[in-house]
Amino acid sequence: GAGVSQSPSNKVTEKGKDVELRCDPISGHTALYWYRQSLGQGLEFLIYFQGNSAPDKSGLPSDRFSAERTGGSVSTLTIQRTQQEDSAVYLCASTGGYYGYTFGSGTRLTVV
Amino acid sequence: ELKVEQNPLFLSMQEGKNYTIYCNYSTTSDRLYWYRQDPGKSLESLFVLLSNGAVKQEGRLMASLDTKARLSTLHITAAVHDLSATYFCAVDTNGNQFYFGTGTSLTVIP
Repeated sequence: GAGVSQSPSNKVTEKGKDVELRCDPISGHTALYWYRQSLGQGLEFLIYFQGNSAPDKSGLPSDRFSAERTGGSVSTLTIQRTQQEDSAVYLCASTGGYYGYTFGSGTRLTVV
Repeated sequence: ELKVEQNPLFLSMQEGKNYTIYCNYSTTSDRLYWYRQDPGKSLESLFVLLSNGAVKQEGRLMASLDTKARLSTLHITAAVHDLSATYFCAVDTNGNQFYFGTGTSLTVIP
């Protein structure tokens, strides 16, 4: 596609429920990233996928968070047993080289 | 771990004035990026700086990179209200991930 597509754009969930966030990167981009941005804060790195290599999961805050990337394209970020502190905007980005990331519009997650 | 510091964190300036946002980082890198984020929106790429001494300009914004000093600047000339946003710099050291600064929230007052 022309840009990075994320869905849903907004998600309200009850504490303890699982959620899945989806990212469809730009076609041909080999690298895909997930970041989290809490209200008024900077960007927190979560996970990075590069081609067929093992993902860099060093930023995942707990074992409730996981992500996968199927076929080197679409990625899903899963948060199990959501907590209120998980409320944030989850941003996905992809890149095909040194020219920087292209970000999606984000998923705003609210845990109530 | 690489640290990226921006200052100021908050900037309120009058229309027509000039100002500079600074981005310092703690390790060697030849690649630095500037992004703009409007409230409730995602990040938009502004500048890509890929070598020492690189300078890029777009409208009232100009970015530069000094890799020896580990410093990038984003200079605003004759600010206008439309420039109000949060500006992030990001450093790429190994091609694996970007390290983002804390952001500078800019408000341009008429």
